[in-house]
Amino acid sequence: AQSVTQLDSQVPVFEEAPVELRCNYSSSVSVYLFWYVQYPNQGLQLLLKYLSGSTLVESINGFEAEFNKSQTSFHLRKPSVHISDTAEYFCAVSDTGGFKTIFGAGTRLFVKA
Amino acid sequence: DAGVTQSPTHLIKTRGQQVTLRCSPKSGHDTVSWYQQALGQGPQFIFQYYEEEERQRGNFPDRFSGHQFPNYSSELNVNALLLGDSALYLCASSTGSNSPLHFGNGTRLTVT
Repeated sequence: AQSVTQLDSQVPVFEEAPVELRCNYSSSVSVYLFWYVQYPNQGLQLLLKYLSGSTLVESINGFEAEFNKSQTSFHLRKPSVHISDTAEYFCAVSDTGGFKTIFGAGTRLFVKA
Repeated sequence: DAGVTQSPTHLIKTRGQQVTLRCSPKSGHDTVSWYQQALGQGPQFIFQYYEEEERQRGNFPDRFSGHQFPNYSSELNVNALLLGDSALYLCASSTGSNSPLHFGNGTRLTVT
């Protein structure tokens, strides 16, 4: 069975500082990996995805994540955060032969001025 | 282009009652997945519907059932409600296996 572990439930950080949100997964088969973001009072939306190819994937708003197969990790990073990045971030995994996407418990990113 | 729409947005029910939640997928999407998100937790997979059939199911009891209609819209039914069923219920649509999910804003169910 697959599982996703997000190692930090909350991450407070000052504006313009770098941030890393950690995600580890377990799966016995090949996987697809996703990060979703949930802004206050909004639904979840896709931030970025890894399906195949380059292990480093980027979003349009400056986030990036790197698929590390040997460490079964998919950490999310941003070199300089903004107040508007305050949200809950969910790491998710689905196996390449299945249909369901499994989510981690989420990491609440709180950006302070 | 409308995204995923869910109704109602909020619902209050009493223990033992039954509830039906509705979802219209994003235009062009044929697959609907349902998730339960308890407060402070990540979404938990309930089941997925494709071609009007339940394709895969998570660890939820039979009290949770669903349906998909020919126009790809879907319903989630929960019977014999328990206090523990109180949660945000999310519908997500997609275009096939492992394609990214597009979520609605959810239905907040409170069981008293």
